[in-house]
Amino acid sequence: EVQLVESGGGLVQPGGSLRLSCAASGFTFSSYWMSWVRQAPGKGLEWVANIKQDGSEKYYVDSVKGRFTISRDNAKNSLYLQMNSLRAEDTAVYYCARLAHGFAFDIWGQGTMVTVSS
Amino acid sequence: SYELTQPPSVSVSPGQTASITCSGDKLGDKYACWYQQKPGQSPVLVIYQDSKRPSGIPERFSGSNSGNTATLTISGTQAMDEADYYCQAWDSSNYVFGTGTKVTVL
Repeated sequence: EVQLVESGGGLVQPGGSLRLSCAASGFTFSSYWMSWVRQAPGKGLEWVANIKQDGSEKYYVDSVKGRFTISRDNAKNSLYLQMNSLRAEDTAVYYCARLAHGFAFDIWGQGTMVTVSS
Repeated sequence: SYELTQPPSVSVSPGQTASITCSGDKLGDKYACWYQQKPGQSPVLVIYQDSKRPSGIPERFSGSNSGNTATLTISGTQAMDEADYYCQAWDSSNYVFGTGTKVTVL
């Protein structure tokens, strides 16, 4: 079964850091671009970052540039999101998602909640 | 930055057709896709590359994209189709989601 499982969310103070992980299974992880997408409580979806198959290309939404870093370990079938200098507006459910068919997210994890609050 | 606009809500009677629009500048020149999200669940891809359905998505879901508007059509709407729907496109290395539409099956 194709599956993505996120972990690492939690409560963090403003200015703090958190590292999210996503474990992939059931497909050849190293063959796909991968992404993080977030959803603030009661709000819509927002793409955060994505990374090429070999990690050589990374892209970010403007609001997280310089604060978040996406990475991957193909040997461990894992995707990561290092989040620094967290702000209240980063509070959201963070989803790991697989990119396929060019520009569509065809597989999503169950999400992990990140709450930034004092 | 690129924006995609959807109506906040659409209501439909069971068995009827629901149409959800997604508007963006020259959207027809890009690929559009659509996601369904039910409360407390992760999004599910229902249409990609404007009109293609992933495996397992019912035939009642169809899509089109031309000019500045992409449209998701649900034919013979069922109660299980009640959900939030988001369009999405790619522009200048950014993946942009629409504002979302809540579909209510009355």
